[in-house]
Formats: sequence, structure tokens, C-alpha cells
Amino acid sequence: AQKITQTQPGMFVQEKEAVTLDCTYDTSDPSYGLFWYKQPSSGEMIFLIYQGSYDQQNATEGRYSLNFQKARKSANLVISASQLGDSAMYFCAMSLKTSYDKVIFGPGTSLSVIP
Amino acid sequence: DGGITQSPKYLFRKEGQNVTLSCEQNLNHDAMYWYRQDPGQGLRLIYYSQIVNDFQKGDIAEGYSVSREKKESFPLTVTSAQKNPTAFYLCASLRGGGDGQPQHFGDGTRLSIL
Repeated sequence: AQKITQTQPGMFVQEKEAVTLDCTYDTSDPSYGLFWYKQPSSGEMIFLIYQGSYDQQNATEGRYSLNFQKARKSANLVISASQLGDSAMYFCAMSLKTSYDKVIFGPGTSLSVIP
Repeated sequence: DGGITQSPKYLFRKEGQNVTLSCEQNLNHDAMYWYRQDPGQGLRLIYYSQIVNDFQKGDIAEGYSVSREKKESFPLTVTSAQKNPTAFYLCASLRGGGDGQPQHFGDGTRLSIL
């Protein structure tokens, strides 16, 4: 069965420091995509970054980068130079391209940025 | 602007009552999804639909029903069989095709029991 695991229920980081949010996944499909979303307290889901299973390089989007280790089935999100506005829930998600775009989410990590 | 509209934003259900949550998209996306989110928890997939007149159960479909009569609409009915419906419900859509495009989400509906 496909599953996403996020082992850090809550994380704290000092403003301007970098932080890594962990995500491991389990699937037997050879083709899949991995996403990270941010959910502020207002509830909307904000897409941050995407990594395809066949992508050779780690994805980067501004202050966000994805540390993709395929053999370990991990896709950790790295946020550089944390800002107070980064305080939110962060969700790792996986899409299974051979299963009609079924998308599943992990339990999330709550990030708090300390001034 | 294209997007997803969920309504209502807040909904209250009486015991034994069915309620329907609306989700409409004008993005011309093929796939649509319903997720349930409990406080401090992740998103759990209720139902998803790839094409009109077809849908699949997610991980927690019991007590819910959906229809997909039009490409742009994917309403969710919370039936009286769902004994603990209080949650935040998110609708999403996806262009499909597996090209790495992210899901687009609505702003959600908060459902509570009266």
C-alpha cells in the first residue's frame, strides 16, 4: 500500500536559519511524483515544490529545495533563511501516475519560526 | 481568474440529516478530489474522480457519496451514516496526465454538528 510518513509532528526554527522537514514514502510504482504544500492557519493549501521520480536533479524553488534520495525513499524539504511567515503546517504528498492520479498526503509537520 | 470555489464556507448539520458540499472549478481540469482534514491532522482522501460519470473511493469513503455529472462540478454529500462528520473539507482539482502539475485547492468548508 502507498503511504507517506512525516515523523516530525512539530518543529521550531530560529528566524533566518535553515530547517529540514522529513518525508519518507512507500510505493511499488516505478513512476510517481512528490509534492510539498504549506497550509497556514487560514486553511488554504499552497503548493511549494515538486519532484518527479525520474528527475535527475533535486528540485529547487526560491528558498525551498527538495533533498530527494530515491534509494532511501525520502523527499525532505529544506527551507533556507526562515521567515516568520513560514510558520505553518507542511504536508508531503505523492501522486501515483499509474493509478489515475490518486494523490495521498502525509500527516504533516507544524513549523514554528521563532524571532 | 480560474480557480476552485467551495461553498458554503461554514455548514452545520443536524443529527440524521444529509448535507451537500459544493465544489466547482473553471480550470477545465479532468480530475477532482475530496479530502477530509481533522484538527492538527493531514488530509485523508474521501473520493476522487478522473472523468465525468466516474469516481473512485478513497481511504475513508464510508458515510459519504459523490457525483460527477459535469466536468466542472464534484459535490460531496455527507450522509447520516457518517457519525463523526465534524471536520474541514477540502476540494481539489488536477489537470491530469501525470506531468507533475500540482493540485489546485478550494478554500474549504468547515462542517460542524448542531
